[in-house]
Amino acid sequence: AQSVTQLDSHVSVSEGTPVLLRCNYSSSYSPSLFWYVQHPNKGLQLLLKYTSAATLVKGINGFEAEFKKSETSFHLTKPSAHMSDAAEYFCVVGGGSYIPTFGRGTSLIVHP
Amino acid sequence: NAGVMQNPRHLVRRRGQEARLRCSPMKGHSHVYWYRQLPEEGLKFMVYLQKENIIDESGMPKERFSAEFPKEGPSILRIQQVVRGDSAAYFCASSPVGGQRDEQYFGPGTRLTVT
Repeated sequence: AQSVTQLDSHVSVSEGTPVLLRCNYSSSYSPSLFWYVQHPNKGLQLLLKYTSAATLVKGINGFEAEFKKSETSFHLTKPSAHMSDAAEYFCVVGGGSYIPTFGRGTSLIVHP
Repeated sequence: NAGVMQNPRHLVRRRGQEARLRCSPMKGHSHVYWYRQLPEEGLKFMVYLQKENIIDESGMPKERFSAEFPKEGPSILRIQQVVRGDSAAYFCASSPVGGQRDEQYFGPGTRLTVT
């Protein structure tokens, strides 16, 4: 069994400040973990993925995430937010099953 | 390499009509997944198909919903006798042969509105 919890439904930051989107997971298997971004009325785009290689994963658009097994976390970060980062972000756990489990999403709001 | 294609992008149906949603996977991908997204919620798995086979339909409602992925042509998600509660965004994803099935590539979605 697997589950994923995104700890914040909304995160609000100012442009140029760091972004932290939190995700905790549980899995009976060695998990694969993903972050997707969804802009309004668009499909989901893969930002980055962890598949048991390096624990610090770099993705597109300056995002990265760190897999911490002891904390069962996979938080998404970016050093400096840009207006175009405003979107919905989904943390996803897979592995052991071909059916990935999606978190409920975190809405990132970026203020000028 | 074109991504996952879905059409139509927007679909309006009256209660009781049928909705047909189409999905063409990425080239070289033979696994197709359908998901439903309700407002302010994450994606919920519906069905997983390979060519001419339904592998897992554990997320499909028992009535009115069906899916197919024929040997030729796109995958189809069919909703018969639609009701207002079917209004949602429906996403299709695909994954490659021999690849990790949980690494999926998503289409832009079909937004179904039932009036």
